[in-house]
Amino acid sequence: TQLLEQSPQFLSIQEGENLTVYCNSSSVFSSLQWYRQEPGEGPVLLVTVVTGGEVKKLKRLTFQFGDARKDSSLHITAAQPGDTGLYLCAGAVFGTYKYIFGTGTRLKVLA
Amino acid sequence: DVKVTQSSRYLVKRTGEKVFLECVQDMDHENMFWYRQDPGLGLRLIYFSYDVKMKEKGDIPEGYSVSREKKERFSLILESASTNQTSMYLCASQAPYEQYFGPGTRLTVT
Repeated sequence: TQLLEQSPQFLSIQEGENLTVYCNSSSVFSSLQWYRQEPGEGPVLLVTVVTGGEVKKLKRLTFQFGDARKDSSLHITAAQPGDTGLYLCAGAVFGTYKYIFGTGTRLKVLA
Repeated sequence: DVKVTQSSRYLVKRTGEKVFLECVQDMDHENMFWYRQDPGLGLRLIYFSYDVKMKEKGDIPEGYSVSREKKERFSLILESASTNQTSMYLCASQAPYEQYFGPGTRLTVT
């Protein structure tokens, strides 16, 4: 069974702090996505990483895909209350239409 | 921008009712998915469709069926709703490398 473990599960930080969320698997993925989901809403795509070692930046968010394409990280610099939400990673399984979703990291940024 | 819409945001149904959840995408994507999301269990794939009239079971298809008569529309059907089908239902449409989700339907079965 393919799994994507995210850590930490919960994170509560003060505005202005930095944080990193990790997404780990023993499986290799063809691509990996990060989503943010707010209560009662669907996940919103933040970024897709495709190449091993790839780093993408989206304003204060930095995403990295591991060299072996088994893991990824999301780093947020100077977190703001608007960053609050559930962060999900999802790996695309080679040769199929399937995605494996991570267990989620619930982030709360306090003003 | 990709737009995925779902027919209802909130739905309350009685046990035994037949329930239809509809999803429409506007990007001519071939692949569409239905998931349910439950606390502690994450997103679980119910069914997906890779073309009109083509479908495959996901990880938890029991109690559900689907219909894809047109490329842009993918429907999820609960033949006889049960309380254990109370959940958040999410539809997704797939472009190369990534999925785009609709806003979700919060279904409560009483």
